[in-house]
Amino acid sequence: DSGVTQTPKHLITATGQRVTLRCSPRSGDLSVYWYQQSLDQGLQFLIQYYNGEERAKGNILERFSAQQFPDLHSELNLSSLELGDSALYFCASSVGPTGELFFGEGSRLTVL
Amino acid sequence: AQSVTQPDIHITVSEGASLELRCNYSYGATPYLFWYVQSPGQGLQLLLKYFSGDTLVQGIKGFEAEFKRSQSSFNLRKPSVHWSDAAEYFCAVGAVDFGNEKLTFGTGTRLTIIP
Repeated sequence: DSGVTQTPKHLITATGQRVTLRCSPRSGDLSVYWYQQSLDQGLQFLIQYYNGEERAKGNILERFSAQQFPDLHSELNLSSLELGDSALYFCASSVGPTGELFFGEGSRLTVL
Repeated sequence: AQSVTQPDIHITVSEGASLELRCNYSYGATPYLFWYVQSPGQGLQLLLKYFSGDTLVQGIKGFEAEFKRSQSSFNLRKPSVHWSDAAEYFCAVGAVDFGNEKLTFGTGTRLTIIP
């Protein structure tokens, strides 16, 4: 158990819809990262927050957005969903800048 | 920008045999290097990490990795694999710049263990 909690574990929705994925980091960790894992793209970094502020942005689509709340949990919002958005979305957290990440078990999104 | 190459997409080894998974990185400064393992249906678990110092690092589950700056490599090894080692293994490089903390992952190597 990494201490990172993600909900929901599985989500099935239709094209054009909007979903929200939630992440609770390990106790004490200030950084939260979102990654997308798909068969064709591998593990892609989406975005990182540190203590409520956006710190780094990767290959995140404009249809996607995220935020980190004062209690440090984070949400990833995916809108206008397309079939290609079907993937495993991971949240990870870390205590500082060394890059040692602790991953949640992921949220599997299926867009039909 | 940093990058990671894992040249082997899939490796099959016999139980009890030795294992080496290759990882090459590209980064302009001293990298932070990591190996993660992902079992089916699970998240990624940190096996080991290199920040500085001794270039041979020990990790969990009997794994070790050696940092070779001259070859820009960070290969993962295990002297004798167990069936439970079957999983996907990811090498990753992290930047030392505080302002850019994201890890860049390789494409992974899937390890199959045969009896």
